[in-house]
Amino acid sequence: NAGVTQTPKFQVLKTGQSMTLQCAQDMNHEYMSWYRQDPGMGLRLIHYSVGAGITDQGEVPNGYNVSRSTTEDFPLRLLSAAPSQTSVYFCASSYRGRTDTQYFGPGTRLTVL
Amino acid sequence: AQTVTQSQPEMSVQEAETVTLSCTYDTSESDYYLFWYKQPPSRQMILVIRQEAYKQQNATENRFSVNFQKAAKSFSLKISDSQLGDAAMYFCAYRSYNAGNMLTFGGGTRLMVKP
Repeated sequence: NAGVTQTPKFQVLKTGQSMTLQCAQDMNHEYMSWYRQDPGMGLRLIHYSVGAGITDQGEVPNGYNVSRSTTEDFPLRLLSAAPSQTSVYFCASSYRGRTDTQYFGPGTRLTVL
Repeated sequence: AQTVTQSQPEMSVQEAETVTLSCTYDTSESDYYLFWYKQPPSRQMILVIRQEAYKQQNATENRFSVNFQKAAKSFSLKISDSQLGDAAMYFCAYRSYNAGNMLTFGGGTRLMVKP
């Protein structure tokens, strides 16, 4: 198993540009989520999904869109990048059981100039 | 909403010594899970230990153990026989019993290990 994969690993954008961060998992996990990590603030939840076709907002959803058309993929779209979105982005997935471990991807470092 | 607080931005420990990282949380729920994650310079998030709130016994994983005080809403991590490879950011995290698998994280503690 490849686990949770994220692409790209690094990205630099200009203000106003759009892009999609890719996340895929090959463990048939129902739950997937996106977090952003800023210095001194830990990870904060952006959006999450409990299954294909079902998504919901987390703590900091503004400026981001998600969709979940398949169990495996959960892309995160930045519609119009802003410098405040400079961060490290993590995708995570797990089975739906209460005791199931959440697996994290390696992260994407995004810089918006 | 739940909040998680780690009051120690940085800690240091001598190799082979013991160190304790602090974490407090705020919740009105009675059933939940608590976690400690390690993030080395590679950025990978690694689960260190997990505690179910309904269990009174403190969780232990090899050199890692927790002191879970439910009434005080405290969840500290003790690392015994510290090794150079333990140097990393450590995050405390909370998960509601019925909130899917979404985690609320603290701000992190950077642990340095001195040889």
